[in-house]
Amino acid sequence: SQQGEEDPQALSIQEGENATMNCSYKTSINNLQWYRQNSGRGLVHLILIRSNEREKHSGRLRVTLDTSKKSSSLLITASRAADTASYFCATVSLGGTASKLTFGTGTRLQVTL
Amino acid sequence: DAGITQSPRHKVTETGTPVTLRCHQTENHRYMYWYRQDPGHGLRLIHYSYGVKDTDKGEVSDGYSVSRSKTEDFLLTLESATSSQTSVYFCAISESAAGHGYTFGSGTRLTVV
Repeated sequence: SQQGEEDPQALSIQEGENATMNCSYKTSINNLQWYRQNSGRGLVHLILIRSNEREKHSGRLRVTLDTSKKSSSLLITASRAADTASYFCATVSLGGTASKLTFGTGTRLQVTL
Repeated sequence: DAGITQSPRHKVTETGTPVTLRCHQTENHRYMYWYRQDPGHGLRLIHYSYGVKDTDKGEVSDGYSVSRSKTEDFLLTLESATSSQTSVYFCAISESAAGHGYTFGSGTRLTVV
């Protein structure tokens, strides 16, 4: 079963605009991560935010986490054509023999010139 | 991706045949994972390993087995391939039980005809 659900499923913007993607999840988490996947490629880790953090920045990326609402958002500022990809949130819940990433279904971002 | 390779990259096989996919890492990470990616489902965990000879099931483990005889290699076997196992398979590694992002391989596209 999917832990995370992303919204929107697809997003099309012009270069220079900001892109915001949202993720909701169901159970308590240790941390939440965002990944990017270019077409036909593997996933690339972008950023990790722990359950006791509310906001985190990395370059043009800003991630927020609201554990009371079980939701997170990823903001990409000043988007570029190279940002065109699918973006996935993934949650980590501790327990058992190892942590396991549980992924949402992703947001497809298209950035046009 | 640097430090993790999957083989083969593409494979077409017939229903009922056994298939083995290989994941090889040079990072000496303890944790290794196999995911499958299907449209509309995101990535789903098949099996994972938390050490040599230590493995456990994920959410979609039926019809799959794994083995890890060395730190660097994690094998995924489809015991008797079915058309429902047509998918893209990703291996991932992590150096800790939680708190670090995963590194993904480039994937194996498997088609069962």
